[in-house]
Amino acid sequence: QVQLVQSGPEVKKPGSSVKVSCKASGGSFSTSAITWVRQAPGQGLEWMGGVIPLFRTPDYAQKFQGRVTITTDESTSTAYMELRSLTSEDTAVYFCARGLDRGVGAATVHFDSWGPGTLVTVSS
Amino acid sequence: DIQMTQSPSTLSASVGDRVTITCRASQTIRGWLAWYQQKPGKAPKLLIYKASTLESGVPSRFSGSGSGTEFTLTISSLQPDDFATYYCQQYYMFLTFGPGTKVDIK
Repeated sequence: QVQLVQSGPEVKKPGSSVKVSCKASGGSFSTSAITWVRQAPGQGLEWMGGVIPLFRTPDYAQKFQGRVTITTDESTSTAYMELRSLTSEDTAVYFCARGLDRGVGAATVHFDSWGPGTLVTVSS
Repeated sequence: DIQMTQSPSTLSASVGDRVTITCRASQTIRGWLAWYQQKPGKAPKLLIYKASTLESGVPSRFSGSGSGTEFTLTISSLQPDDFATYYCQQYYMFLTFGPGTKVDIK
C-alpha cells in the first residue's frame, strides 16, 4: 500500500505563493499518477492537476492553468504543488493522491491512496 | 469539462436502511467512474472504481452500477460507520468530481 506524507500547514499573505510537498513510500512512484485535489471549507473536491513522474509533463485543470506548477523529484519520491498569486479563495485543504496510470495520462485516473491533507490559509 | 451531478445532495437514513445515491455525467464517460467516502477532517477513501469494481477491503454492502451517463452507489444495509459524504468522480477525460451527497442520521 502506498503511503503519502504531506508537509505541514501554511499561512500565507494574499498575492504570495505556497509550495506543498507530498512524499510517497511503497509502490512505484515513477509510474504512478500523482495528483493534487483541494477542498475549501465546507465545499467539495476540486482537481487541480496531476503528473506521472516518468513522463514529467503535468496535466492541469483549466481553472488553475498558469497559476499552479506540479513537479516531482524521483530521487526522493516527492511531488510538489506550487500555487501562486494567492487570494482568500485559495484557503483550503490541499490533498495529494495517487492513482494507477491506465495509459491515457494523469487526468484520467482514480485514486487509491490519499495524503492526509495540508491546510493552506490565505489571510492578510 | 464533463460536469457531474449527484442526487440527493443530502440523505437522512437509519441504520439498516438501503441507500442509493445517483451520479450523472453531462456526457458519456463509459464506465470510468469512481466513488469515494469522506468523513469530516479526513481524506477521501476509494470505495468503487470502474463503476462497479469494489476496492480491496471495502465491505460488500457497498456496490456500484451504471454506464454511459448514469451511475448509482448502493449501500445495502447502512451501518453506523457509513454516515459520511460520498463523492463520484469521472476519469474518462480531465477528471472531475460530483458535488457530494451527505448521508446523515434520520
